[in-house]
Amino acid sequence: AQSVTQLGSHVSVSEGALVLLRCNYSSSVPPYLFWYVQYPNQGLQLLLKYTSAATLVKGINGFEAEFKKSETSFHLTKPSAHMSDAAEYFCAVSLNAGGFKTIFGAGTRLFVKA
Amino acid sequence: KAGVTQTPRYLIKTRGQQVTLSCSPISGHRSVSWYQQTPGQGLQFLFEYFSETQRNKGNFPGRFSGRQFSNSRSEMNVSTLELGDSALYLCASSLNPPVDTIYFGEGSWLTVV
Repeated sequence: AQSVTQLGSHVSVSEGALVLLRCNYSSSVPPYLFWYVQYPNQGLQLLLKYTSAATLVKGINGFEAEFKKSETSFHLTKPSAHMSDAAEYFCAVSLNAGGFKTIFGAGTRLFVKA
Repeated sequence: KAGVTQTPRYLIKTRGQQVTLSCSPISGHRSVSWYQQTPGQGLQFLFEYFSETQRNKGNFPGRFSGRQFSNSRSEMNVSTLELGDSALYLCASSLNPPVDTIYFGEGSWLTVV
């Protein structure tokens, strides 16, 4: 069965520090992987996506993620956190196996300290 | 171009009632999918429609249903509402998922009292 696991429901970093949000997936078919960000009372905004073109994917707002097949991971990073990065982040895998569906991780809330 | 539009944004219903939520996808997108977001269960897939056909369905009871019209607009309906149905319902559209990006609307906040 396909699943997505995000390690750490809450992550706190200082402004200017490295952001690392972890995501592991399991999939029986080649996955499409995504990171979304959700600000309070808003829908989801796509940060970046992996569609098998390149293992290192660059997204918006300085975020990037690396697809590691051997580790079944797709961790999200940003070299220097900004206060405006405080939000909830979701890793997701989209599949086309008997019909399209997207499976989301439980989410990681990022706190940025001044 | 306009994004995914969901109406209504907020609504309050009483247990036992039914509710219909509407979603207008981005122009040209034929795939519309629905998700339920709650603090306890996170984001869960409800169903996906493509060109008026339901292609996949999540693990929700039959009280949850949907449809898609010829103009790609979609509606989802929840009958016999329960307190546990209180959630943010998100609609997303895409040209050809999962290859193409899935764009989300702002969601419809449903409170069941």
